[in-house]
Amino acid sequence: ELKVEQNPLFLSMQEGKNYTIYCNYSTTSDRLYWYRQDPGKSLESLFVLLSNGAVKQEGRLMASLDTKARLSTLHITAAVHDLSATYFCAGMNTGNQFYFGTGTSLTVIP
Amino acid sequence: DSGVTQTPKHLITATGQRVTLRCSPRSGDLSVYWYQQSLDQGLQFLIHYYNGEERAKGNILERFSAQQFPDLHSELNLSSLELGDSALYFCASSVDPSGRITDTQYFGPGTRLTVL
Repeated sequence: ELKVEQNPLFLSMQEGKNYTIYCNYSTTSDRLYWYRQDPGKSLESLFVLLSNGAVKQEGRLMASLDTKARLSTLHITAAVHDLSATYFCAGMNTGNQFYFGTGTSLTVIP
Repeated sequence: DSGVTQTPKHLITATGQRVTLRCSPRSGDLSVYWYQQSLDQGLQFLIHYYNGEERAKGNILERFSAQQFPDLHSELNLSSLELGDSALYFCASSVDPSGRITDTQYFGPGTRLTVL
């Protein structure tokens, strides 16, 4: 079974600051996904990372994948309040099964 | 609005009962995925269907079953319900024209199941 660990679990950051959420996984993962969930809402796909060295950016969020280190990062640049949400990463094993991290609850403070 | 619809939005039932959750994917999307989210277990992948065929099965209990119909909508059947089955159930869809899971998933609003 693919184990996915996210850290930190909780993150409180000031507007305008940068921070990184880390997603480690235990065995080979074919690809890595990042999602966002607002309180009481459904999930929203952010990024799909398909290969080693993949980097994707959307607005103030940038995700990267290092398959050798079994690590993906979600970097937040100059945080704004609208980014407050819970962020999940998920790995997919060779059997096409998804395994989710526990989520990082991000609060951006004005 | 993701374009994925799920019904019902809320469902309250008793232990031992059976329920059916329905998901209509975005127009043209061939893949449907089901997920469960609970405080105890977090987010769990249940099952993936592609164009009517089961492609991957995750932590889905034997009491649960799913199918995808020719019109590509999907149903998740939960039987012999237990208190621990109370959760949010999400479905998602994606195009995946080649059958490989490479595309963005679009999530429905979810069905909140409460088992009393």
